[in-house]
Amino acid sequence: AQSVSQHNHHVILSEAASLELGCNYSYGGTVNLFWYVQYPGQHLQLLLKYFSGDPLVKGIKGFEAEFIKSKFSFNLRKPSVQWSDTAEYFCAVMGSSNTGKLIFGQGTTLQVKP
Amino acid sequence: NAGVMQNPRHLVRRRGQEARLRCSPMKGHSHVYWYRQLPEEGLKFMVYLQKENIIDESGMPKERFSAEFPKEGPSILRIQQVVRGDSAAYFCASSPPGSGTGYYEQYFGPGTRLTVT
Repeated sequence: AQSVSQHNHHVILSEAASLELGCNYSYGGTVNLFWYVQYPGQHLQLLLKYFSGDPLVKGIKGFEAEFIKSKFSFNLRKPSVQWSDTAEYFCAVMGSSNTGKLIFGQGTTLQVKP
Repeated sequence: NAGVMQNPRHLVRRRGQEARLRCSPMKGHSHVYWYRQLPEEGLKFMVYLQKENIIDESGMPKERFSAEFPKEGPSILRIQQVVRGDSAAYFCASSPPGSGTGYYEQYFGPGTRLTVT
């Protein structure tokens, strides 16, 4: 069965620290990969996505993610976090044969201290 | 361009009552998806609908849950005879026509938080 695992459930950082959130998935075929963010009191928003091509993907607000096929990973990174990055982050996968069904990880809560 | 709309935002029901959750997709979108988020868990896929058609309902509980997306009007997720375990946040997402290729993103609504007392 397909699954997505996010290793860190709760991360606390100080402003200007670097961020890396882990995401691993299990799926045997071609995948599309996503990171969504949910700011407090708001709905999920797409941070970035990978469909094909360059495995290093740039997203909004300075975020990037790298798809490493051999490791089944799609880790999210940001060189320097801000207080406004405090939010919950979800990694999601869509298998090419499962049109419509996003499989989400359990989420990582990021708290950035000013 | 208005985003995905869901109502109500909060819904309280007593055990045994019915819950109806509504979702209006983004303008021009014809694909709707419902997800459920239980406390301390990630979002779980429930159902994928196009206008008047259920495409994939593999995540829907076998009983008490149903969904529709009529030709006119919002998509409805209906839960009959609710139980405490149905308490969760229910999110709707939409995507544009042609999404069947798989190369698209889903736009999410704010969610409906259902509490069963």
